[in-house]
Amino acid sequence: SQQGEEDPQALSIQEGENATMNCSYKTSINNLQWYRQNSGRGLVHLILIRSNEREKHSGRLRVTLDTSKKSSSLLITASRAADTASYFCATDADNDYKLSFGAGTTVTVRA
Amino acid sequence: KAGVTQTPRYLIKTRGQQVTLSCSPISGHRSVSWYQQTPGQGLQFLFEYFSETQRNKGNFPGRFSGRQFSNSRSEMNVSTLELGDSALYLCASRVFSSYEQYFGPGTRLTVT
Repeated sequence: SQQGEEDPQALSIQEGENATMNCSYKTSINNLQWYRQNSGRGLVHLILIRSNEREKHSGRLRVTLDTSKKSSSLLITASRAADTASYFCATDADNDYKLSFGAGTTVTVRA
Repeated sequence: KAGVTQTPRYLIKTRGQQVTLSCSPISGHRSVSWYQQTPGQGLQFLFEYFSETQRNKGNFPGRFSGRQFSNSRSEMNVSTLELGDSALYLCASRVFSSYEQYFGPGTRLTVT
């Protein structure tokens, strides 16, 4: 079963704009990760945020975590065509390295 | 370092047959996990192996099995294939102490 749910399911933006997607989850977590998947290929790890962290940055990525609301957001700034992909949040609820993924947000960046 | 490799990349099988998929982790990574991705169920955890032992198992029937060899390479086997087993099967490896998983390109299995 899926632990996380992403919102929106799909997002279409112009190159240079920012893209924001949200993830909500059901149980307490140890950490939350975001992954990117290009067109049916393997997933690429983007960023990990631990349950005691509220915000984390990596290049053009900004992730926030609100454990009281059981939600996280991923912001991609100054989007590029190469950012076109599906983005998944993944949680590790039991600290056993078993990831539960959300349904994903499909982002399309228009040139 | 070479990434995670999976073979074969594409596979077509008939209902009732069995299939074996292979995964070679990144050198030095001793943990290998398998995930199934379908449009309906999304990404679901199958199992994880570390040092040739299954550490974790997802909620899949016994037709799905796996193993890991001493060189950390892993195989998963699906017996008595059903149409619903059509999916992208992803393998991921990690350093045991790290949460970050490195995924392979996947094996796309089609069951007809």
